[in-house]
Amino acid sequence: LAKTTQPISMDSYEGQEVNITCSHNNIATNDYITWYQQFPSQGPRFIIQGYKTKVTNEVASLFIPADRKSSTLSLPRVSLSDTAVYYCLVGGWGHSSASKIIFGSGTRLSIRP
Amino acid sequence: IAGITQAPTSQILAAGRRMTLRCTQDMRHNAMYWYRQDLGLGLRLIHYSNTAGTTGKGEVPDGYSVSRANTDDFPLTLASAVPSQTSVYFCASSDGSGGEAFFGQGTRLTVV
Repeated sequence: LAKTTQPISMDSYEGQEVNITCSHNNIATNDYITWYQQFPSQGPRFIIQGYKTKVTNEVASLFIPADRKSSTLSLPRVSLSDTAVYYCLVGGWGHSSASKIIFGSGTRLSIRP
Repeated sequence: IAGITQAPTSQILAAGRRMTLRCTQDMRHNAMYWYRQDLGLGLRLIHYSNTAGTTGKGEVPDGYSVSRANTDDFPLTLASAVPSQTSVYFCASSDGSGGEAFFGQGTRLTVV
């Protein structure tokens, strides 16, 4: 069971780069690492997914070291609208391991002007 | 583009009553999921279905049942609601390839 550990909360300022690290020591060989964003009163929204090394899309980068026991979500030049809860998930959506995909408490990111 | 739709948006329910939360997706995704989210906490998996005709139990299945008669619909039933089932319920779907999952907007359920 690949459980994840993230900081409970983080604060930053507009224009800064924010890095949120997630630990997943028991990650399985075929597990992906996926990050979601959730605003109040909304369902989670997919941000980025990776398996190893570095993945980048239009909103974030995901850094995964060779041992895959942790990952870091990087948000470049954050704005007030990036204030949200960020969840790190480990598992394979829709695979037989679907029942083992656990949402932790997430990281509550607060961006200040 | 509808994506994934949940109904009702919110509901106040008397304890002991039966309630079915509806979830429909139009993306032809194989896999569907039900989560609950209590105030200030993360999401917990209730039940899931990897394909039509099959279902499985998640972290917190007690007091809930699901069915998956077809690809599009995945209703969640509370046979006899209790106050501890007060929560926000999210339905999600994915194509089963290991990629992105899509979430509905949630159903806010209050059991009194």
